[in-house]
Amino acid sequence: QITLKESGPTLVKPTQTLTLTCTFSGFSLSTTGVGVGWIRQPPGKALEWLADIYWDDDKRYNSFLKSRLTITKDTSGNQVALTMANMDPLDTATYYCAHTNYEILTNYYDGFHMWGQGTMVTVSS
Amino acid sequence: EIVLTQSPDFQSVTPKETVTITCRASQTIGDLLHWYQQKPGQSPKLLIKYASHTFSGVPSRFSGSGSGTHFTLTINSLEPEDAATYYCHQTSGLPTFGQGTKLQIK
Repeated sequence: QITLKESGPTLVKPTQTLTLTCTFSGFSLSTTGVGVGWIRQPPGKALEWLADIYWDDDKRYNSFLKSRLTITKDTSGNQVALTMANMDPLDTATYYCAHTNYEILTNYYDGFHMWGQGTMVTVSS
Repeated sequence: EIVLTQSPDFQSVTPKETVTITCRASQTIGDLLHWYQQKPGQSPKLLIKYASHTFSGVPSRFSGSGSGTHFTLTINSLEPEDAATYYCHQTSGLPTFGQGTKLQIK
């Protein structure tokens, strides 16, 4: 059974750096093809993909936010971390992590199979 | 960036009806299109992957079709529990999501 859970601060001040951690079970980031992504959702708005990281340490970033994002993995600890620098009130959102796969034979990136419950982050002074 | 545009933004339907939600991509994406259901206060759940493959455990009334730039999610014989917002998501380029379609069950 795959589970993921996000953790981190619920309130950050503008210009601060946000660090979120995704702790997961039921799969390993050392398994070929496995990946974890981060997606956010401002209140009442649509989903926005932020970044993902794969078993081989390949990383991809949202091109509009790339300069502010860093994604890392701790394979043995079953965790993925996301840092977002220079936070702004517009970054107020629920942040989700999710399990995905890269299909080696087809070079396809899969959908997000399982999501965490999400963590709400408010940016305010 | 590949832009996904869903239609309609909102639809109100009665139980047992059939509803179709459309997702159009700004450029061809093959079948690299996935559908999610999100109920209020919950995280999204994968319904359909690669345009037409129903994800494990998803009821058979949900189906997807399409390729290239035009995709549809069809829900047959709507149940009250299908009230939710539905999102399409592409993985041909860097991932993007559609703006969502809110489905209200009368």
